[in-house]
Amino acid sequence: AQKITQTQPGMFVQEKEAVTLDCTYDTSDPSYGLFWYKQPSSGEMIFLIYQGSYDQQNATEGRYSLNFQKARKSANLVISASQLGDSAMYFCAMREETTGGFKTIFGAGTRLFVKA
Amino acid sequence: DVKVTQSSRYLVKRTGEKVFLECVQDMDHENMFWYRQDPGLGLRLIYFSYDVKMKEKGDIPEGYSVSREKKERFSLILESASTNQTSMYLCASSLTGTVMYSYEQYFGPGTRLTVT
Repeated sequence: AQKITQTQPGMFVQEKEAVTLDCTYDTSDPSYGLFWYKQPSSGEMIFLIYQGSYDQQNATEGRYSLNFQKARKSANLVISASQLGDSAMYFCAMREETTGGFKTIFGAGTRLFVKA
Repeated sequence: DVKVTQSSRYLVKRTGEKVFLECVQDMDHENMFWYRQDPGLGLRLIYFSYDVKMKEKGDIPEGYSVSREKKERFSLILESASTNQTSMYLCASSLTGTVMYSYEQYFGPGTRLTVT
C-alpha cells in the first residue's frame, strides 16, 4: 500500500517566487519522522529538512520550510525565493519503526522546474 | 567527509546471471538500505539492515537477497537477473537512535544496472 503520496509529478515556478510541493503520508504509528530530499540531475540525494511527529513547530532550514499538518497527515515542502539551482527532483520520505529497527520509505517524487 | 560508495556506476548483465552490488560506508552507521529508483515510482525499498547479520525485507524484496557480514558493507544480490530488474540501485546508510531523531540517510552515487 502506498504510504507516501506525492501528487505532483511536475511543477513549474518562476524564479524568486515561492513554491509548495505536496506530500501526504499514511501511518498508524504515533512516532515517525518525515524528510525531504533533493535529487539534482547529477543524481546525488541531498537531505533538506526533517520533521518529527511530536515536533510542535514546523521545521525550517534556510529557504526550506515544512508545513506539517498532523491531523491531515501532510508534510508539504515550501521553497521560498526559488533559484534556478532548485530545479531538481524532490522526494518526501517517512521513517518509521519496524520489528528490528527503522526503515525509511519514499514517495514517487516531484520534478520542479524553475523558470528564469 | 561522509562517504557511501558503490562498487560500480554502470553494470550490464545477462538474464539469469547472478549479480552482486556492493555498498560500503565509512561512517560507522548501524543502518544500511538498498533502494531501486524507477521513473514515476520514486525510490522503493528492497531490503535494509539494522546491524551486522540482521536484515529486514522492504517493500519489494522478491528476486533479491542481501548480506551484511561487516558493519561497513552491505551487499545486494540478484540471484537470477531478469530484465525487469533493470534499474538504478541506490544504497544508503544512517545512524540509528529512535525514529524521532533527525538522522538523515546518506546515499551512494547509484549503480545503473541493465539486464539484457
